[in-house]
Amino acid sequence: GAVVSQHPSWVICKSGTSVKIECRSLDFQATTMFWYRQFPKQSLMLMATSNEGSKATYEQGVEKDKFLINHASLTLSTLTVTSAHPEDSSFYICSASSGFTYEQYFGPGTRLTVT
Amino acid sequence: KNQVEQSPQSLIILEGKNCTLQCNYTVSPFSNLRWYKQDTGRGPVSLTIMTFSENTKSNGRYTATLDADTKQSSLHITASQLSDSASYICVVSGTSGTYKYIFGTGTRLKVLA
Repeated sequence: GAVVSQHPSWVICKSGTSVKIECRSLDFQATTMFWYRQFPKQSLMLMATSNEGSKATYEQGVEKDKFLINHASLTLSTLTVTSAHPEDSSFYICSASSGFTYEQYFGPGTRLTVT
Repeated sequence: KNQVEQSPQSLIILEGKNCTLQCNYTVSPFSNLRWYKQDTGRGPVSLTIMTFSENTKSNGRYTATLDADTKQSSLHITASQLSDSASYICVVSGTSGTYKYIFGTGTRLKVLA
């Protein structure tokens, strides 16, 4: 149980374009989802927290207009990187929590490369 | 400032050997501590979770210890296998009743044949 998937697993896009990453909880309802970014040889950095049906709460230094997060249902959250630049290239990981406990279940990650 | 520090930063061992990874934290008040294994290019997978009252927790060849007084934890891997090659991340949760995870910098373990 508690499986979280991400799609796509990797994506390459051109600078200036937008890319959407999906995060799904497959076997539970996720009242809260998290988006993390991880640069090579570094640990996960929380970008934002989203509750279903509410606006996401962004961490300090994360541009909310650049990283659009939508948590429209209890099983799906999306992260859209708008006007992507090469410095946005990173490994993006989502996690989800059911709300019954504070356990976060992590997705497999999405590798974004902006050329 | 709430911080989680891990050591060593990286480690290379031979297959079959044991190893111990360290985690020191300054998170207060403390709720629980988790160890995750993260394979390259994959998301973290939970190994153990310990609350304030637990001193040790095992998951197969992985054994985590916690000393809440000194704010230290360790992850001991017994009879290492090639598949243990990964990053191991110590994660501490602060005030009970919150989702906020505070991540350590991780230890990159390489097991050689």
